[in-house]
Amino acid sequence: QSALTQPASVSGSPGQSITISCTGTSSDVGGYKYVSWYQQHPGKAPKLMIYDVSNRPSGVSNRFSGSKSGSTASLTISGLQADDEADYYCSSYTSSGTQVFGTGTKVTVL
Amino acid sequence: EVQLVQSGTEVKKSGESLKISCKASGYTFTIYWIGWVRQMPGKGLEWMGIIYPGDSDTRYSPSFQGQVTISADKSITTAYLQWSSLKASDNAMYYCARPSAPYSRGDAFDIWGQGTMVTVSS
Repeated sequence: QSALTQPASVSGSPGQSITISCTGTSSDVGGYKYVSWYQQHPGKAPKLMIYDVSNRPSGVSNRFSGSKSGSTASLTISGLQADDEADYYCSSYTSSGTQVFGTGTKVTVL
Repeated sequence: EVQLVQSGTEVKKSGESLKISCKASGYTFTIYWIGWVRQMPGKGLEWMGIIYPGDSDTRYSPSFQGQVTISADKSITTAYLQWSSLKASDNAMYYCARPSAPYSRGDAFDIWGQGTMVTVSS
């Protein structure tokens, strides 16, 4: 299975909102509710930010939100802060019974 | 506290075998799948495979099928990732991770190990 497609980079100024897309197929993103998003700072393990398309784990800021339309999922970060600068990965369950990650997006806070 | 603690950095030569571990604690080991994720230097996350310790049911990404073996030992609540013959291309950080819901291999990984760095020299 191929990695889900994400933009390589997205940037924004503090306080702005940005959206990261994650495009798959009907065999992964489009077919299941199991779409999640992870944040990874350099040298650290990934951290779950969104699960089941739009749900936030306890402790994750409500500035992070997720959605899905067809085979494309999106992560929106509102009120961008310096600490949001990190790599972000989407992930989806697949029809093969496995999961697949996205290609990753580097978020830069200008 | 729920946690996954991985074994330490490994430095090996091409052709050698290796088994790295992921020790689980703070939850019922046998009812949660445990997955493995590769991250090559400067690259993205890659989902390798997942095991259900309750019955050792294992699923692999097609990219990793036949390249690695995932196993688990219920008696010591530990999952493993092993190679029979390492290659230079196996240089990477390897993470174990646990889905947020029991019995489900589709759920997101909410618990992650700290990672094990594997360096393979030719």
